[in-house]
Amino acid sequence: TQLLEQSPQFLSIQEGENLTVYCNSSSVFSSLQWYRQEPGEGPVLLVTVVTGGEVKKLKRLTFQFGDARKDSSLHITAAQTGDTGLYLCAGGSGSSNTGKLIFGQGTTLQVKP
Amino acid sequence: GAGVSQSPSNKVTEKGKDVELRCDPISGHTALYWYRQSLGQGLEFLIYFQGNSAPDKSGLPSDRFSAERTGGSVSTLTIQRTQQEDSAVYLCASSLDSGSYNEQFFGPGTRLTVL
Repeated sequence: TQLLEQSPQFLSIQEGENLTVYCNSSSVFSSLQWYRQEPGEGPVLLVTVVTGGEVKKLKRLTFQFGDARKDSSLHITAAQTGDTGLYLCAGGSGSSNTGKLIFGQGTTLQVKP
Repeated sequence: GAGVSQSPSNKVTEKGKDVELRCDPISGHTALYWYRQSLGQGLEFLIYFQGNSAPDKSGLPSDRFSAERTGGSVSTLTIQRTQQEDSAVYLCASSLDSGSYNEQFFGPGTRLTVL
């Protein structure tokens, strides 16, 4: 069974601070997606990484896929209150291209003004 | 250009009753997924449909859960004889095609409360 473990589960920081969220597995994934979810809404895709060692930047967010495609990280620079939400990593099935995603349990981020 | 819609947004039911949750995917999206989310947690895969292929039901937690997709569009998730542990947010997502690189677009979810 493929599992994704996210850490930390909860993070409360002041505006302007930096943070990193980790997503780890013992399994290889064909791709890794990061979603952000706000209360009462569905998750919204932030980025997809598919190549081992790949780094993608989205404004103040930096995403990295591990060389072995078993782990990923999300780094936020100078967090803003608008970054508050639930961050979810999701791995694409490595055995078949079915689109079925395995989700981590999420990291709840609170950015205080 | 409507997104994925789900109804009802909230459903409160009594233990033992049956419920139906509806999902309208984005027009033209061939793949449709159902997930379940407990409060503040990640998403648990339930079932997915791709075109006319047999659905992948591997995530359904029990035989009380079933889903269908009519005409390759609207989907209904049915939970029979609901139990309190079924209380959760049920999320539907659609994508242009199956494939692990395809972006899944999520609806706002149906919050189910079983009393």
